[in-house]
Amino acid sequence: GAVVSQHPSWVICKSGTSVKIECRSLDFQATTMFWYRQFPKQSLMLMATSNEGSKATYEQGVEKDKFLINHASLTLSTLTVTSAHPEDSSFYICSRLLQETQYFGPGTRLLVL
Amino acid sequence: AQSVSQHNHHVILSEAASLELGCNYSYGGTVNLFWYVQYPGQHLQLLLKYFSGDPLVKGIKGFEAEFIKSKFSFNLRKPSVQWSDTAEYFCAVRLTGGGNKLTFGTGTQLKVEL
Repeated sequence: GAVVSQHPSWVICKSGTSVKIECRSLDFQATTMFWYRQFPKQSLMLMATSNEGSKATYEQGVEKDKFLINHASLTLSTLTVTSAHPEDSSFYICSRLLQETQYFGPGTRLLVL
Repeated sequence: AQSVSQHNHHVILSEAASLELGCNYSYGGTVNLFWYVQYPGQHLQLLLKYFSGDPLVKGIKGFEAEFIKSKFSFNLRKPSVQWSDTAEYFCAVRLTGGGNKLTFGTGTQLKVEL
């Protein structure tokens, strides 16, 4: 399966600051990557689909100005949580597509104080 | 809207017991089906998947799942669990022709006791 890394693995920030999370496809190029959010004891919810060289496609209810996604190269997608607030605290997971199957990164735990 | 249901939220088994985790989905069209596992402190890993063909799918670590179209189900099974199978298990569904969006179930936390 595909190998996906995320950085950082965890981050603590103050309310009002912005946080950038990187998702890298280490073995294959990825024109499409996905960003999920996982709340404690709950399932993964797709936030957006990241497309290399074009705008991301956001799911209904996800604020595109709050969660900025950039997919500037075939191996890197970034998610920036802008003006983070405590309610943005969560586990953010990215994935990439390989042969119609999604392979997931290890996730980034964000805690906003 | 499409939904995925996993009926068992927490399952506790003794080693060597048999396992069956339920997964049902609501969409009536053609689907691709997945089971992922998340071991403590690790990322989601693919256990098995069904796209077409034989509805009984075998995956890694002795797991298998059966697609029953008439029941909209894709239950995960293992004849004899091990302590190392302790993890959270997620069923996921993708609509064919609906892009690559995955809809996940709420997950089942499995604890295997020695």
